[in-house]
Amino acid sequence: GESVGLHLPTLSVQEGDNSIINCAYSNSASDYFIWYKQESGKGPQFIIDIRSNMDKRQGQRVTVLLNKTVKHLSLQIAATQPGDSAVYFCAENQWTDKLIFGTGTRLQVFP
Amino acid sequence: DGGITQSPKYLFRKEGQNVTLSCEQNLNHDAMYWYRQDPGQGLRLIYYSQIVNDFQKGDIAEGYSVSREKKESFPLTVTSAQKNPTAFYLCASSTGLGGNTIYFGEGSWLTVV
Repeated sequence: GESVGLHLPTLSVQEGDNSIINCAYSNSASDYFIWYKQESGKGPQFIIDIRSNMDKRQGQRVTVLLNKTVKHLSLQIAATQPGDSAVYFCAENQWTDKLIFGTGTRLQVFP
Repeated sequence: DGGITQSPKYLFRKEGQNVTLSCEQNLNHDAMYWYRQDPGQGLRLIYYSQIVNDFQKGDIAEGYSVSREKKESFPLTVTSAQKNPTAFYLCASSTGLGGNTIYFGEGSWLTVV
């Protein structure tokens, strides 16, 4: 079936560096994508979303890039901080369907 | 404050017992969801509801039941038929299916002892 997956299960970065978390999706009909952050023992928190009519969207210290040609989604975090340490999930759906979540990438920030 | 409230946060169940997890939202969302998350894993959809008095099975509905008698509430019952119920359960809601952000509660930890 259709699925959303991630290239890297764990990403380690130094504090202050930029982080890039990647996500591949297989459903070319998907038109809405979301990134979530989940801290240990808590529910996922919405970070940023993007619709398929856009290539890039920026938030506070975060940028999401969408490449529909290769069905690739990425989350960029600028000046990564210890508080950014968490598991990050991408999710996708089509207009009339429910969200499908990827398996997640753990981001570890070290001093 | 607006949000999604799950209770209890921690729950222990003996084998063979049913247990009900509560989920309440005051976001005026039509759609509600239940997900299961095992340690180090992603989210798997158990049940979802698009509107009051209607719900559909997700990918892993066996051993679970739900009801949606009120817009604000979507309780999940983990029955004795669920063979491996120990997990982290997440309730979520959105304004509707498709193209809408899903917002999550803080989760409930269920442990079978």
